[in-house]
Amino acid sequence: ETGVTQTPRHLVMGMTNKKSLKCEQHLGHNAMYWYKQSAKKPLELMFVYSLEERVENNSVPSRFSPECPNSSHLFLHLHTLQPEDSALYLCASSQEWTSIDTQYFGPGTRLTVL
Amino acid sequence: DAKTTQPPSMDCAEGRAANLPCNHSTISGNEYVYWYRQIHSQGPQYIIHGLKNNETNEMASLIITEDRKSSTLILPHATLRDTAVYYCIVRVAGRGSTLGRLYFGRGTQLTVWP
Repeated sequence: ETGVTQTPRHLVMGMTNKKSLKCEQHLGHNAMYWYKQSAKKPLELMFVYSLEERVENNSVPSRFSPECPNSSHLFLHLHTLQPEDSALYLCASSQEWTSIDTQYFGPGTRLTVL
Repeated sequence: DAKTTQPPSMDCAEGRAANLPCNHSTISGNEYVYWYRQIHSQGPQYIIHGLKNNETNEMASLIITEDRKSSTLILPHATLRDTAVYYCIVRVAGRGSTLGRLYFGRGTQLTVWP
C-alpha cells in the first residue's frame, strides 16, 4: 500500500468509447505523474503536474487528456484510442516536482483497446 | 541523465544474498543513484538511493564504488516475494522540465527460487 490508488484496475474499451482513469494520492504530495508501460518497453513518462499545473507533456497524442483538479487527484481522459494504446497506465506522486524526491506509484490500470 | 547498464536477468536462491550490479560510467558529480523494483503487474516501488556513501535501509543496501562508476544493490536475505524487475536510475539533483523524470530502462529480472 503506497498511498496512491488508481481506478479502475482493469478497463476494456472500444476505439470509439470515452473513458477516464482516476488517480488519488493520500500522501499530501504536490506533484503527480502519468506513465505508460507497454509490453516489453520501458516506462514512458506522459504528463507531470505540480500544484495542479501541467509542467510537462511528452509529445503525447491529444486522444489522451489529463486533468488535475487539485493536488490529490489526477485524471486521464481517453477518447478514440487505438489498439496500440493498450498498456499499463501508472500514476505516481512525489512531495515536490524535483528529481530528488521519491516517487510513489499506484498499482496501475491495465487498459485494453479493442 | 547518465545511462545505466544492468544485466537482463539474475537468479538467486531463497535466503541467500542477491547482489544486483549496475554500471553508470558516465555519471556526473551531482547525479544520484536510485533503485526501484517492479513486481509483475504492479507499480514500481522505491527501494533506496545514494550519492557517494553506501546506504542501508530496511529493504536493502546500496554500495557505490569510490569512482561512482558502478553500484550494487544488495538484498541480504532474498525471499520469493523479491522476484521482480530491478531498475537502476541516475538522476541529476534539482528542479526542471527534464529533471523530474525517471528513466527506467530495461532493468534486471531477478528470480528468487526455493
